[in-house]
Amino acid sequence: DIQMTQSPSSLSASVGDRVTITCRASETIRSYLTWYQQKPGKAPKLLIYVASSLQSGVSSRFSGGGSGTDFTLTISSLQPEDFATYYCQQSYSTPFTFGPGTKVDIK
Amino acid sequence: EVQLVESGGGLVQPGRSLRLSCAASGFNFDDYAMYWVRQGPGKGLEWVAGIGWNSGGIDYADSVKGRFTISRDNAKNSLYLQMNSLGAEDTAFYYCAKGIGSAGRDWFDSWGQGTLVTVSS
Repeated sequence: DIQMTQSPSSLSASVGDRVTITCRASETIRSYLTWYQQKPGKAPKLLIYVASSLQSGVSSRFSGGGSGTDFTLTISSLQPEDFATYYCQQSYSTPFTFGPGTKVDIK
Repeated sequence: EVQLVESGGGLVQPGRSLRLSCAASGFNFDDYAMYWVRQGPGKGLEWVAGIGWNSGGIDYADSVKGRFTISRDNAKNSLYLQMNSLGAEDTAFYYCAKGIGSAGRDWFDSWGQGTLVTVSS
């Protein structure tokens, strides 16, 4: 199985900050990397697919990059509604494993 | 608008069975692969199972293989998860998710609200 790791596991940031989360796969997944946002008590929400494509309706302050084994999610200017947990997921091969998540909270 | 509504969760004793359902609407159900993803209390997301549009391409996480069965009824726009031999480790919110992608390399663009399964005596 492909293992996914994320760093950091949590971070504290202020409104307006630029935030970058890293996701690493244990082997190449080409560009089959997805980012989700999850708020407490809610289902995950798709943000970015195939590493860098922005899902329709998602703010352009979210961007994704990378390929192969190393990927990033960047929030260009953190907004109050962005405080949440972010998960990466590979869909290169089953089982479609998720990263452990990165919790972004208010400094 | 895409809607996915899970049902069938609840409290069940260890070793017993439970069947989850997911009612889909707002899209052509029989055009898309569908998936189950779970999340234990305070834990991360775990992919559980997937099924192709025509009920082919079924696959399971090792943690549930041999115990869980995913199925679908395209005439009823419904997805199912039959869970047998349940253990405490299966306690989680179970989400139904719509897959989109190509050649089986799907990501999940719509999710249900989840149904809670609690395995306890």
